[in-house]
Amino acid sequence: QKEVEQDPGPLSVPEGAIVSLNCTYSNSAFQYFMWYRQYSRKGPELLMYTYSSGNKEDGRFTAQVDKSSKYISLFIRDSQPSDSATYLCAMTDTGRRALTFGSGTRLQVQP
Amino acid sequence: DGGITQSPKYLFRKEGQNVTLSCEQNLNHDAMYWYRQDPGQGLRLIYYSQIVNDFQKGDIAEGYSVSREKKESFPLTVTSAQKNPTAFYLCASRDLGTRSNQPQHFGDGTRLSIL
Repeated sequence: QKEVEQDPGPLSVPEGAIVSLNCTYSNSAFQYFMWYRQYSRKGPELLMYTYSSGNKEDGRFTAQVDKSSKYISLFIRDSQPSDSATYLCAMTDTGRRALTFGSGTRLQVQP
Repeated sequence: DGGITQSPKYLFRKEGQNVTLSCEQNLNHDAMYWYRQDPGQGLRLIYYSQIVNDFQKGDIAEGYSVSREKKESFPLTVTSAQKNPTAFYLCASRDLGTRSNQPQHFGDGTRLSIL
């Protein structure tokens, strides 16, 4: 079993839809949670960064962390064709050397 | 412009050949990382370094080597011992300062293929 599970998609939605992307994890020591967006042939770009449980909002993006369920989500409101990309969740505890990534979900927003 | 520069963007390797991927950062970050990305498998850690002249193996270090002679540079060599080198290679860096756990930032990758 992978330490972080993420549905690979592809997830196809119409423009303007609310998108929900999710990851589950097994390591209860994880405390820092990140979402990266990756366009084709480019490096991942940091979108959201949260610590412990709770919500964080930034423009059209909201990140949620539920540590009791070991479940994190990224919501995208009013989705745009430019949001079409692969979304990677990543997480770490306070002392780990690097991030543990999900396999990424490919999102397609249809105009 | 602050950032992480990876070169070349595309690289081809012949059988038995070693190739070196470049990663340079001007963010004054302490830690640098190399990941390999294969379709459907997310990112896997190859090597990382938290300080000059020191580096640690990641989960898939076999067939790879690195050096960290300068803070801003962390080159990765894919040796002939790596039998399946075709992948997208990503370099990242992170500030290890006194503030709480800082996220990693990535370069735009090098795509390596076998001839």
